Amino acid sequence: DAKTTQPNSMESNEEEPVHLPCNHSTISGTDYIHWYRQLPSQGPEYVIHGLTSNVNNRMASLAIAEDRKSSTLILHRATLRDAAVYYCILRDPQGGSEKLVFGKGTKLTVNP
Amino acid sequence: EAGVVQSPRYKIIEKKQPVAFWCNPISGHNTLYWYLQNLGQGPELLIRYENEEAVDDSQLPKDRFSAERLKGVDSTLKIQPAELGDSAVYLCASSIISGAGELFFGEGSRLTVL
Repeated sequence: DAKTTQPNSMESNEEEPVHLPCNHSTISGTDYIHWYRQLPSQGPEYVIHGLTSNVNNRMASLAIAEDRKSSTLILHRATLRDAAVYYCILRDPQGGSEKLVFGKGTKLTVNP
Repeated sequence: EAGVVQSPRYKIIEKKQPVAFWCNPISGHNTLYWYLQNLGQGPELLIRYENEEAVDDSQLPKDRFSAERLKGVDSTLKIQPAELGDSAVYLCASSIISGAGELFFGEGSRLTVL
């Protein structure tokens, strides 16, 4: 399984943008980049995913490097409710093994 | 629409006792996953079902863990006997299809083995 590398932790202030980086230098051509987040005492929840182009949804934006070896999850205005562990995951929909491998993720702290 | 429902939320048992966790996925979701999450770590896949078939159970410790999804809907994960190291959160997730679909997770079942 292709691996991702994320910082262990990041801090942000409320109402400021947050850029969460992810490195995936061994990404294959068919791997999608997925982001999930896990709030305290909750199961993970889907945030966003993309393949090559940048993606936007109501929760966040995903910026993907041109060589696809890194990506950045962007929260445009962090709120206290965004404090969570954010996981960057590679998924191959054509792959025979659907593991959705989670790393340790980035723990985001949002300061009031 | 109801999300993935898991029970119990919390369970405390003595070591060597059996324990079972139940999961009801979102209606219409054919794929069901059981994950194990240790403290401070990301979830790790234990088993994946496509309908009632276990298509990936390579990470399930089969000497003490078992799972079933008899009618392709809800599922049960059992541990017998439990060991101290089994203390963790057991997460259930479901998706419409495998491979590309978004996974929806339940709140998890937190197991403490004393």
